[in-house]
Amino acid sequence: QKEVEQNSGPLSVPEGAIASLNCTYSDRGSQSFFWYRQYSGKSPELIMFIYSNGDKEDGRFTAQLNKASQYVSLLIRDSQPSDSATYLCAVSNGDSWGKLQFGAGTQVVVTP
Amino acid sequence: EADIYQTPRYLVIGTGKKITLECSQTMGHDKMYWYQQDPGMELHLIHYSYGVNSTEKGDLSSESTVSRIRTEHFPLTLESARPSHTSQYLCASSEGTEETQYFGPGTRLLVL
Repeated sequence: QKEVEQNSGPLSVPEGAIASLNCTYSDRGSQSFFWYRQYSGKSPELIMFIYSNGDKEDGRFTAQLNKASQYVSLLIRDSQPSDSATYLCAVSNGDSWGKLQFGAGTQVVVTP
Repeated sequence: EADIYQTPRYLVIGTGKKITLECSQTMGHDKMYWYQQDPGMELHLIHYSYGVNSTEKGDLSSESTVSRIRTEHFPLTLESARPSHTSQYLCASSEGTEETQYFGPGTRLLVL
């Protein structure tokens, strides 16, 4: 079992709709959770992070964390064609090394 | 946000050659990381460093080596390149207790 799991997609979303991405993790000691966006051929860029259970909103993005169920999700509201990318979930166990475990990513395709 | 640079961006090289991939950051981050990523696959941590003269191997076995003589510089070296080394190599950095990692643009390596 992989430590961080995501559906590979592609997730096809009509323009203007909500994209919902899920991520599950296996380490109950995980402390911090990150969502990165990676355009094809580019490097990952941070969208947002979340540490506490509940929702965290940043513009059109909302991260949701449920530590008891060991999942974290990302909602993209009013999806735009520019949101078409692969979204990587990353998890930290909070050790001093700052290492992150990455999922393989979910590809999102926003259709006009 | 970190300014982090990688050179070369693209490299095509023959089997058996020695290569060094450069990574530099200008933000004074103490932690630096090297990841390997194949198309459509997750990032695999191959080396990390938490400061000058400290380096550790990551979760994915790699034939490469790294050094950290200066805070801002974290080069990766392959003594004898092989076709199996063909991949994208991503460098990242983070600061102190912050776990957010910022990525460089990556180096795409093709070994013939």
